[in-house]
Amino acid sequence: GQSLEQPSEVTAVEGAIVQINCTYQTSGFYGLSWYQQHDGGAPTFLSYNGLDGLEETGRFSSFLSRSDSYGYLLLQELQMKDSASYFCAVQTGANNLFFGTGTRLTVIP
Amino acid sequence: DAGVTQSPTHLIKTRGQHVTLRCSPISGHKSVSWYQQVLGQGPQFIFQYYEKEERGRGNFPDRFSARQFPNYSSELNVNALLLGDSALYLCASSTGRTMNTEAFFGQGTRLTVV
Repeated sequence: GQSLEQPSEVTAVEGAIVQINCTYQTSGFYGLSWYQQHDGGAPTFLSYNGLDGLEETGRFSSFLSRSDSYGYLLLQELQMKDSASYFCAVQTGANNLFFGTGTRLTVIP
Repeated sequence: DAGVTQSPTHLIKTRGQHVTLRCSPISGHKSVSWYQQVLGQGPQFIFQYYEKEERGRGNFPDRFSARQFPNYSSELNVNALLLGDSALYLCASSTGRTMNTEAFFGQGTRLTVV
């Protein structure tokens, strides 16, 4: 079977840094994506890692270690608007995407 | 520019009925993917179409089918609806043939099967 594990909930203080981890066990692996989804909203793309290492986009960074089947999303300078669900998703084939169950991030003042 | 648009936004159907959901991708995007999202869970991949051909299929029964039209819009059809098909159905469009490019999601169709 295929599995993606990420924490179900994380709480962090405004202005702080938070890391959301994702470990995967899949039949194929092309890359790891991260999506943000606010309640009642559509998922929005944050990042894609096809190779090992760190990708940085503004306050958000994403890391991948293929040898460890592990990745993380790092959010810096947290803002209240960052409260949302965050999903890691593995591209298991050229044309297949497998999502995790999501991490609900709550940012508190 | 318009984003990904889906219709209808909400739908109530009776068990055993058939439903058709529609999606218009962002202009210039040739790839459309469909996902099912149950409350509290992540999206589950159903299909991907590129240039009117099915390129990827998730682990869903044959009751689920889709197609893409020459203008790259797409339909998702579900036959013999079950109560468990109640979910948010999301459509996403992208430029790439494979799924390593940024996907832009629509707001979804909320399907309730009673």
